[in-house]
Amino acid sequence: DAGVTQSPTHLIKTRGQHVTLRCSPISGHKSVSWYQQVLGQGPQFIFQYYEKEERGRGNFPDRFSARQFPNYSSELNVNALLLGDSALYLCASSVGGHRNEQFFGPGTRLTVL
Amino acid sequence: GNSVTQMEGPVTLSEEAFLTINCTYTATGYPSLFWYVQYPGEGLQLLLKATKADDKGSNKGFEATYRKETTSFHLEKGSVQVSDSAVYFCALSAGAGGTSYGKLTFGQGTILTVHP
Repeated sequence: DAGVTQSPTHLIKTRGQHVTLRCSPISGHKSVSWYQQVLGQGPQFIFQYYEKEERGRGNFPDRFSARQFPNYSSELNVNALLLGDSALYLCASSVGGHRNEQFFGPGTRLTVL
Repeated sequence: GNSVTQMEGPVTLSEEAFLTINCTYTATGYPSLFWYVQYPGEGLQLLLKATKADDKGSNKGFEATYRKETTSFHLEKGSVQVSDSAVYFCALSAGAGGTSYGKLTFGQGTILTVHP
């Protein structure tokens, strides 16, 4: 069975640009969460979507936004990129509801120059 | 707010040595607790979990027991292998009765290197 997939694998942008990261959850999973992992630190929660509705938001500025599509895939958008946005962006999917186990994708490595 | 604190690393061991990575947490309600592992260049993989006090999670020779009285979830393995070299993250998902919608709070991670 296919796991969580993310695209692109790597991305290089310059300050001020915009970026869109994509995630496809495991088949049958209705919840998608996004995390930012800065080098040498643990992942930080950004967003969680369940059944196309935002169910949680971490302590990130409004430059970060996301959405979930009818097929449960998701996009994370970051506007006006800063150097500090350079990180590994992880997507995780779960069945949702009362299930807490999340399955992570390989991540998108974003470098902002 | 919720938080997870892991022992500072990195940890370097010889093959077949005993491993302990300490993890303590602060949370409201009754969190579920997890250990994730991240191999170089890869995403996170769930290693084990425990959803209530005194539960013991285990997988691939790793174990951790949910201790509510000490708010701890220490990871142990009796005999490590070179292939266990990775970064280990302790995490919690807080929600009454396990009904959280899935926000995970992670510790800072512990780098484990095992030498032959």
